[in-house]
Amino acid sequence: AQKVTQAQTEISVVEKEDVTLDCVYETRDTTYYLFWYKQPPSGELVFLIRRNSFDEQNEISGRYSWNFQKSTSSFNFTITASQVVDSAVYFCALSDSTGFQKLVFGTGTRLLVSP
Amino acid sequence: EPEVTQTPSHQVTQMGQEVILRCVPISNHLYFYWYRQILGQKVEFLVSFYNNEISEKSEIFDDQFSVERPDGSNFTLKIRSTKLEDSAMYFCASSEREGAGYTFGSGTRLTVV
Repeated sequence: AQKVTQAQTEISVVEKEDVTLDCVYETRDTTYYLFWYKQPPSGELVFLIRRNSFDEQNEISGRYSWNFQKSTSSFNFTITASQVVDSAVYFCALSDSTGFQKLVFGTGTRLLVSP
Repeated sequence: EPEVTQTPSHQVTQMGQEVILRCVPISNHLYFYWYRQILGQKVEFLVSFYNNEISEKSEIFDDQFSVERPDGSNFTLKIRSTKLEDSAMYFCASSEREGAGYTFGSGTRLTVV
């Protein structure tokens, strides 16, 4: 069965600090997808990234970067120079590549960025 | 940018009542999903729908739940007789094809009293 673990329940940082959110996953599939979603206080789920299991290249998008390490089954997310607007719950999720690709979510990490 | 639209944003209902949560997926999308998030907890898969039938459902999706795509644009989730534990945020999502990413709606917060 697929499983996503986000061991950090809550992280508090001060603005401009860098912060890394950890995600460890379990799957027996050789092909799968990994995702990160942001859930701000308003409640919606905002898509951040989707990564194919065959693509281990790290990705950077502005202040956001993702480190995919298949050897350790991890897909960590780093925010550089955090801002107050980054305060949200961040979910890591996993889907297989067959069938209808339901998402299995982790329990989320609440990030609090204070001024 | 195309959106998945959910209505209402918040619904309060009495225990035992039927509720219908409505979603309008992105028009060229073919795969539709409902997810649930109990307050403060993780997002959980309920059901996927393709080609006018349920393709997969979770243990949560028991006989009290049903989904329908009545008119080619709406995608609804019905809870026949609501319980207190059905109180949650319900997210609709759609996907253009297998392997494509999801687009989630902004959710309907259901409160059962």
